[in-house]
Amino acid sequence: DAKTTQPPSMDCAEGRAANLPCNHSTISGNEYVYWYRQIHSQGPQYIIHGLKNNETNEMASLIITEDRKSSTLILPHATLRDTAVYYCIVRVPGRGSTLGRLYFGRGTQLTVWP
Amino acid sequence: NAGVTQTPKFQVLKTGQSMTLQCAQDMNHNSMYWYRQDPGMGLRLIYYSASEGTTDKGEVPNGYNVSRLNKREFSLRLESAAPSQTSVYFCASSEARGPSSEGYTFGSGTRLTVV
Repeated sequence: DAKTTQPPSMDCAEGRAANLPCNHSTISGNEYVYWYRQIHSQGPQYIIHGLKNNETNEMASLIITEDRKSSTLILPHATLRDTAVYYCIVRVPGRGSTLGRLYFGRGTQLTVWP
Repeated sequence: NAGVTQTPKFQVLKTGQSMTLQCAQDMNHNSMYWYRQDPGMGLRLIYYSASEGTTDKGEVPNGYNVSRLNKREFSLRLESAAPSQTSVYFCASSEARGPSSEGYTFGSGTRLTVV
């Protein structure tokens, strides 16, 4: 799986958009970009994933650059409950012993302040 | 719908004691995983089971064993606990039907202290 680089911490005012960057310059053609978050003391929570097109769901939007070497997770209207560590992961999805694993780095601590 | 259930939530062990962490999922997922998380670190994969009847080592398997009892249950055993195994343990499951259904579901964790 390709390595990712994320800033260790960011902050954002409540109600504003939070834009979390991730660099994955060694990403290969069949690797997807995944985002998870972990609220303090809880298990990680899946947010969104994508291959090369921008994606949006009820939680967030994912913007992937055209060369796929970086991406941005956007929380459009951050709330205090969005304070968490956000993990960007690049991997090949699918079945099988070598493809099913999910490797986490240290992520970005997002703090949303009132 | 409970998702992934881990027991116990908290445990204190003495060095050399053994214990089994239990994990069960009710989503009919094929794949299950055990991770550990240490302060200031991301999650590290201990063992995983891609499907019922199979298990494989992850990044940090030493000192642990696993059993995929059936499709629902995946247990993690510490035969002789060491202080270095003090950590928060997370179980997860996934159903890898393809890229459109790749979200993992995690349990709420077991906080283990070895003294």
